[in-house]
Amino acid sequence: AQTVTQSQPEMSVQEAETVTLSCTYDTSESNYYLFWYKQPPSRQMILVIRQEAYKQQNATENRFSVNFQKAAKSFSLKISDSQLGDTAMYFCAFIPLRGSARQLTFGSGTQLTVLP
Amino acid sequence: GAVVSQHPSRVICKSGTSVKIECRSLDFQATTMFWYRQFPKQSLMLMATSNEGSKATYEQGVEKDKFLINHASLTLSTLTVTSAHPEDSSFYICSAKVPYSYEQYFGPGTRLTVT
Repeated sequence: AQTVTQSQPEMSVQEAETVTLSCTYDTSESNYYLFWYKQPPSRQMILVIRQEAYKQQNATENRFSVNFQKAAKSFSLKISDSQLGDTAMYFCAFIPLRGSARQLTFGSGTQLTVLP
Repeated sequence: GAVVSQHPSRVICKSGTSVKIECRSLDFQATTMFWYRQFPKQSLMLMATSNEGSKATYEQGVEKDKFLINHASLTLSTLTVTSAHPEDSSFYICSAKVPYSYEQYFGPGTRLTVT
């Protein structure tokens, strides 16, 4: 079984600053995907960024980037130039490539508040 | 990205009644859909995996007779909360998986309040 741990229940950052959200996971799988999802106050789940475990290069999407350390089973999200619209709950998630169900395992979430 | 809809977005029902929530994939066929429950300020808890044309697979601790799931077509899965009680009040979210892919797209959620 997989577990995903987010040790920061709440974080805040000043607008335009940079913030890093932590995520660690535990798995015996060697091939998997990792995701960061954002859930704003509307509660719509939005995919922020994904990382394939077989890729060594860290994924980047505009202001969002990850620091993927496979050996350490760590997958942190860095948000640069934070904007008020980044205020949301952020969930780290894991999917193994083996098996047909493709069930996501979520972390407990980090509530990020961007302060004006 | 692909679009998944849920209906209704909010529903209030009386204790003892049943309520049905629909999840539709609007621009792709989804052989697999997932139903989650989310309490305030908590993570998504997987309730069941809905497979088109077959019985749903429920997670441990989820009552299959209370949370009926039907996935009768490649674009529609329904969750029926039977004999609802106040403790069933929650936010329910579905997701639909793109076939032969890891990609899942989430619906906007349904807030259920049982009075």
